[in-house]
Amino acid sequence: GNSVTQMEGPVTLSEEAFLTINCTYTATGYPSLFWYVQYPGEGLQLLLKATKADDKGSNKGFEATYRKETTSFHLEKGSVQVSDSAVYFCALTFPYNQGGKLIFGQGTELSVKP
Amino acid sequence: SAVISQKPSRDICQRGTSLTIQCQVDSQVTMMFWYRQQPGQSLTLIATANQGSEATYESGFVIDKFPISRPNLTFSTLTVSNMSPEDSSIYLCSVIQGAPNPIQETQYFGPGTRLLVL
Repeated sequence: GNSVTQMEGPVTLSEEAFLTINCTYTATGYPSLFWYVQYPGEGLQLLLKATKADDKGSNKGFEATYRKETTSFHLEKGSVQVSDSAVYFCALTFPYNQGGKLIFGQGTELSVKP
Repeated sequence: SAVISQKPSRDICQRGTSLTIQCQVDSQVTMMFWYRQQPGQSLTLIATANQGSEATYESGFVIDKFPISRPNLTFSTLTVSNMSPEDSSIYLCSVIQGAPNPIQETQYFGPGTRLLVL
């Protein structure tokens, strides 16, 4: 079946450190891939997406590249800030005419210290 | 992106009671979903809310426990029935925008309803 696996958290970094959160997926077919972020006490916000192989999604300094050969979509940021502290979810989906269901990874909690 | 609101934002309920959660979208959308996020866990799809027909439930979720209404293309409700402490979770609705263009198609979430069952 389809699934998403993320690196375990929590991840604790100092401000301005480099961030990588690993995400790999298993899917039959060609899904779209997403990163969502959940700040403390809030709902989910879309961070970035990629819809086909070699696409790079980017937003707010975060980037992720859709790697079909390694079935990965790792999230990176060159210099994290305290305000980036949140839980990050990797997810995949197929088009709405195939159900549109999002399948999430387990989430990775990021804590950035000043 | 769509503006999605949920009511209530949070509630504390007694076991054995039921709570109805509302989801309102500021534009017409074809597909709406309900997810559950148990404490410290990821999100799990409960069901797809279909306008004009019965909701489509995922494995492990049943209509008697989670009845869903979808009277029009901008509104849906989820009821959590006969609650127990295990139902304490965040319940989120979501919508798809941009369909049927797969490049534009994206799912957006409401702010969630935080439910604590005592």
